Amino acid sequence: GAVVSQHPSWVICKSGTSVKIECRSLDFQATTMFWYRQFPKQSLMLMATSNEGSKATYEQGVEKDKFLINHASLTLSTLTVTSAHPEDSSFYICSAKLASGNTIYFGEGSWLTVV
Amino acid sequence: AQSVTQLDSHVSVSEGTPVLLRCNYSSSYSPSLFWYVQHPNKGLQLLLKYTSAATLVKGINGFEAEFKKSETSFHLTKPSAHMSDAAEYFCVVSDWGGNTPLVFGKGTRLSVIA
Repeated sequence: GAVVSQHPSWVICKSGTSVKIECRSLDFQATTMFWYRQFPKQSLMLMATSNEGSKATYEQGVEKDKFLINHASLTLSTLTVTSAHPEDSSFYICSAKLASGNTIYFGEGSWLTVV
Repeated sequence: AQSVTQLDSHVSVSEGTPVLLRCNYSSSYSPSLFWYVQHPNKGLQLLLKYTSAATLVKGINGFEAEFKKSETSFHLTKPSAHMSDAAEYFCVVSDWGGNTPLVFGKGTRLSVIA
């Protein structure tokens, strides 16, 4: 089946620094990728929808200047958390939609801890 | 607008007994419906999906779900629970064919007692 790889799985960064999370579709082209955030014991919250070659569409309440999303190719989208703060610590998950069909596949997620 | 309601936040069953995780949805269009499972500290794994074909959908690990349009339900079942089934389960809806994001239910935590 289709595989979505997310890297890094775990990252710790200092407050005020930036960290980048990559989401790759390994064996298919993904015209659309989605970024979610999950707080402990809660459901996933959609942060933004990323279409290849265009600007991401952010959900209400998500700061686009803080959570930079780039989708430069059909197999790679990146989420950069800029000037990270401890409250940004969370589990971030990306998903990719096959160019054909309606199935969406998820990455394994990335744990971000800001200290 | 789409929405998903998972009726139980926590379900506890004994090993070897049936599992029923309930999900109701609303959608303006013909929906696609999914069940995902999330084990602790892991990403999401697709269990099964309904995309307007057969209303009874069989998934991995012995799970199945039945799409009932009249009841706007998509309940997840398994005849016999296994310890490894203990996880968080999410019911998800998406508009058919579009690039609309998935709408997640709040999740149901399944506990399996030995």
